Amino acid sequence: GAGVSQSPSNKVTEKGKDVELRCDPISGHTALYWYRQRLGQGLEFLIYFQGNSAPDKSGLPSDRFSAERTGESVSTLTIQRTQQEDSAVYLCASSPQTGGQETQYFGPGTRLLVL
Amino acid sequence: GQNIDQPTEMTATEGAIVQINCTYQTSGFNGLFWYQQHAGEAPTFLSYNVLDGLEEKGRFSSFLSRSKGYSYLLLKELQMKDSASYLCAVRDGSGGYQKVTFGIGTKLQVIP
Repeated sequence: GAGVSQSPSNKVTEKGKDVELRCDPISGHTALYWYRQRLGQGLEFLIYFQGNSAPDKSGLPSDRFSAERTGESVSTLTIQRTQQEDSAVYLCASSPQTGGQETQYFGPGTRLLVL
Repeated sequence: GQNIDQPTEMTATEGAIVQINCTYQTSGFNGLFWYQQHAGEAPTFLSYNVLDGLEEKGRFSSFLSRSKGYSYLLLKELQMKDSASYLCAVRDGSGGYQKVTFGIGTKLQVIP
């Protein structure tokens, strides 16, 4: 498809386990964002990738969170030793190379539940 | 860093006009976005402002004043389907990045 895709769509895990979330951005989009949205809350910025530049990791809440992106393609967000407070929807968005409007196009999100 | 403020909830009547305000503080302003998010769904783009003034797009308009750090989203001829959260987001170009930060969102309820 032409949009941003994320997998899995839903993930239930036990406290203490590691999880890996995947984002496939729109082809050609150089910028990629990860956000977290807890139930009834706003979007919380986690990390931002722009081309081959060093990512902006200022939003990662703890060292249990990490993310990687290979070039301008797939990104993975890894949460180690999950805690119940990590339960949220994790949204990925991509946008074209900066220089203009650069609307963010969001994926459907991964709903993570930590038991 | 950035600070984005918008009301948490608003209620308006079907067919009416509603204005949702957003104020922000940022060191390297480089654009303001409005997104719509229906419950349980991902945000979708509504509008973009980088220069002062009003941008109109159908029933939706967005205004920006950079000197005041202020924007509003105006929704006309409200429909029931407009019930959603409206997110104000600011792009900061300082430090060589183009990070976009979202406000908490304004939950709009349209009533008959």
